[in-house]
Amino acid sequence: AQSVTQLGSHVSVSEGALVLLRCNYSSSVPPYLFWYVQYPNQGLQLLLKYTSAATLVKGINGFEAEFKKSETSFHLTKPSAHMSDAAEYFCAVSAYSGSARQLTFGSGTQLTVLP
Amino acid sequence: DAGVTQSPTHLIKTRGQQVTLRCSPKSGHDTVSWYQQALGQGPQFIFQYYEEEERQRGNFPDRFSGHQFPNYSSELNVNALLLGDSALYLCASSSRQTSSYNSPLHFGNGTRLTVT
Repeated sequence: AQSVTQLGSHVSVSEGALVLLRCNYSSSVPPYLFWYVQYPNQGLQLLLKYTSAATLVKGINGFEAEFKKSETSFHLTKPSAHMSDAAEYFCAVSAYSGSARQLTFGSGTQLTVLP
Repeated sequence: DAGVTQSPTHLIKTRGQQVTLRCSPKSGHDTVSWYQQALGQGPQFIFQYYEEEERQRGNFPDRFSGHQFPNYSSELNVNALLLGDSALYLCASSSRQTSSYNSPLHFGNGTRLTVT
């Protein structure tokens, strides 16, 4: 079964500092990986997805993630944090179970941006 | 273009009661999946509906059931509510025809269910 693990349930950074949110995956086949963001009282919004076309994936709001097969990682980064980045971030892997495609999510990382 | 819409936004129920949550998929989508997100956790797959049939179920008891209508909208029903059913319930839609491993799911804002 495919799974993802997010290291660090809470991450705090200062405004303007580098954001690094960690995600490691477990998969016996090439994984299809996603990062979603969830703002308070809202659903999940797609940040970016890994499509195997490139190992460095650029997403919305200045975020990007690098797929590293040797490290089974797909960490999310942003060079300079903004106050509006404060939210919960989820890494997810896509898989088919029977005829249905489903996402398996990590437990999430709450990002706090300090002024 | 309306995205995924869910109703109600909040709901408070008592243990033992039954609840129905509703979801309208994004325009052009025909597949609806339901996820449960407990506080402080990531969403967990409940089940998926396509062509008005349940196609796959996650590790949830039979108290959780669903339905999909001809217009692709869907309902999630939970019977005999337990305190542990308190969570955010998310609906996600996709298109069967264009869906692939790397197609994103489109999520609604969820229904916050509180069981007292």
